[in-house]
Amino acid sequence: SQELEQSPQSLIVQEGKNLTINCTSSKTLYGLYWYKQKYGEGLIFLMMLQKGGEEKSHEKITAKLDEKKQQSSLHITASQPSHAGIYLCGAGNQGGKLIFGQGTELSVKP
Amino acid sequence: DARVTQTPRHKVTEMGQEVTMRCQPILGHNTVFWYRQTMMQGLELLAYFRNRAPLDDSGMPKDRFSAEMPDATLATLKIQPSEPRDSAVYFCASGPSTDTQYFGPGTRLTVL
Repeated sequence: SQELEQSPQSLIVQEGKNLTINCTSSKTLYGLYWYKQKYGEGLIFLMMLQKGGEEKSHEKITAKLDEKKQQSSLHITASQPSHAGIYLCGAGNQGGKLIFGQGTELSVKP
Repeated sequence: DARVTQTPRHKVTEMGQEVTMRCQPILGHNTVFWYRQTMMQGLELLAYFRNRAPLDDSGMPKDRFSAEMPDATLATLKIQPSEPRDSAVYFCASGPSTDTQYFGPGTRLTVL
């Protein structure tokens, strides 16, 4: 079965620093979703990537999809405390079922 | 400010009881999703609808779970009978397509 592995599992950065979170699939990716969740709160849908090489941005967050590597990366530029939370990637497998990574916990120190 | 609403926000019930969770999608959105989140399993997609028709409910235990959209303004997720392992936060999301989703605040379900 297909699995998604996120790295790192947790990350602590100083405010203003850039960071990257990776999501690697064990099989071919058919669409890749990024979500954000704050503790005790709901989920925020960040963006969806469908095509190899596709890149999307939402404010200071940029995500790219590398189909050959079966990987997506999420890059945050000039991190702020408001970026803190858990970032989740989700992907559709060949059977159309949506699966999720275990999440990356991001802390931003002021 | 359009938002997805979910009711109830919290539900505590006893094993064997029926549980109904409701979701009001954002007006005009034709795609509705139901997710479940637990510490052990993480986030799971249970079902999603487009134009009120179920497109995928493969993530949902069929024997006890059912999801419906009686009309465009209401989506329901029912569990009958409920079991302790169903305890989780259930999120509803809606969107104009699968490319964008707006999440509700979730229903925290505890089955004793």
